[in-house]
Amino acid sequence: AQTVTQSQPEMSVQEAETVTLSCTYDTSESDYYLFWYKQPPSRQMILVIRQEAYKQQNATENRFSVNFQKAAKSFSLKISDSQLGDAAMYFCAYRSDNYGQNFVFGPGTRLSVLP
Amino acid sequence: KAGVTQTPRYLIKTRGQQVTLSCSPISGHRSVSWYQQTPGQGLQFLFEYFSETQRNKGNFPGRFSGRQFSNSRSEMNVSTLELGDSALYLCASSLATDPSTDTQYFGPGTRLTVL
Repeated sequence: AQTVTQSQPEMSVQEAETVTLSCTYDTSESDYYLFWYKQPPSRQMILVIRQEAYKQQNATENRFSVNFQKAAKSFSLKISDSQLGDAAMYFCAYRSDNYGQNFVFGPGTRLSVLP
Repeated sequence: KAGVTQTPRYLIKTRGQQVTLSCSPISGHRSVSWYQQTPGQGLQFLFEYFSETQRNKGNFPGRFSGRQFSNSRSEMNVSTLELGDSALYLCASSLATDPSTDTQYFGPGTRLTVL
């Protein structure tokens, strides 16, 4: 079974600075998809970014980018120019290419943004 | 396009009672997944329904059940409630037609408190 690990339960960053959240996963599959979700205090889960394992190019969405290292099974999220609204729980998630398996979420990293 | 909606948003029950939660997916989405979120256990997958059939199931006791209707709306039922069932229950929907483009979109959740 696949597992997702986020080794940083909590992190903080100064406003306008850059922060990187770590995620590692374990799988024997070659095709899969990785996601970062954000859960602000409102508890609404919001998709931040998505990466296909077969793509070598790292995904980017505005201030958010990932560093996908397939061989190392690492999928980190970089937030540039951090804003107060970025404060939230961030979950890394894995989904198989096979619909017979569900999403697997990591335990989350709580990010605080300091003014 | 309207997002995923969940009703009710808040619910208070007592031990031994049963509860039904409802989820309406984004229009056109055929898959609905349910998750339980607690501070201690994080996000745990309950089950997924696709075209009225349970496609995946997590490791929860039989007291947790669900169903999906022909319009893709889904309900989750918990019987004989226990204190440990207090949690945020999240529903997520997706098109589930092509893994290469599929993404889950979450509802705001139902906060269940068991007294």
